[in-house]
Amino acid sequence: QQQVKQSPQSLIVQKGGISIINCAYENTAFDYFPWYQQFPGKGPALLIAIRPDVSEKKEGRFTISFNKSAKQFSLHIMDSQPGDSATYFCAASMSSSNTGKLIFGQGTTLQVKP
Amino acid sequence: DAGVIQSPRHEVTEMGQEVTLRCKPISGHDYLFWYRQTMMRGLELLIYFNNNVPIDDSGMPEDRFSAKMPNASFSTLKIQPSEPRDSAVYFCASSSSNRGPRGYTFGSGTRLTVV
Repeated sequence: QQQVKQSPQSLIVQKGGISIINCAYENTAFDYFPWYQQFPGKGPALLIAIRPDVSEKKEGRFTISFNKSAKQFSLHIMDSQPGDSATYFCAASMSSSNTGKLIFGQGTTLQVKP
Repeated sequence: DAGVIQSPRHEVTEMGQEVTLRCKPISGHDYLFWYRQTMMRGLELLIYFNNNVPIDDSGMPEDRFSAKMPNASFSTLKIQPSEPRDSAVYFCASSSSNRGPRGYTFGSGTRLTVV
């Protein structure tokens, strides 16, 4: 019940295309859903996050879509660029627990071809 | 703030040797997490501390692994004896109970290779 399942494991997209990464969770107590971006040789860094009281959040070319009833959320990268090539992790947390502990998905390696 | 600082960045050691990884969390953060990243298993939470006290070490794979946090500004993850299957990137992260998961910050990691 603590798991977050992420797919696909890897993704290749042409420059200018849309990249879509999906995540699913079981624990309905989760109330904070961030996405992390990791470049080679670096630690994961917070990209964008959403809470379940909204169905969508957009920051520039990055959008999170959230479906509370299906317990799924996804990251959409519009107009994908080679500089977006990285590993993306979804995560979930219970903010009420106050620990800041995040449960991570398995990660998706995105390659954007020029 | 300098962020979460890990050392060394790379470590190559022979099987059977002791390895110590180090982490300095962000000042004021009261939670510290150790993760291991591999291609097969992704990001695995090994152990985490709150106010220097270990809270959950259920992710520590074996007794060969141990972690300590002697004070608020320093933590170590030790592997003794090391084995080739321990080869991975080890990340330290810290967060503040005031900000919860929003303040979660990772270090740059230590790439461990055991030959």
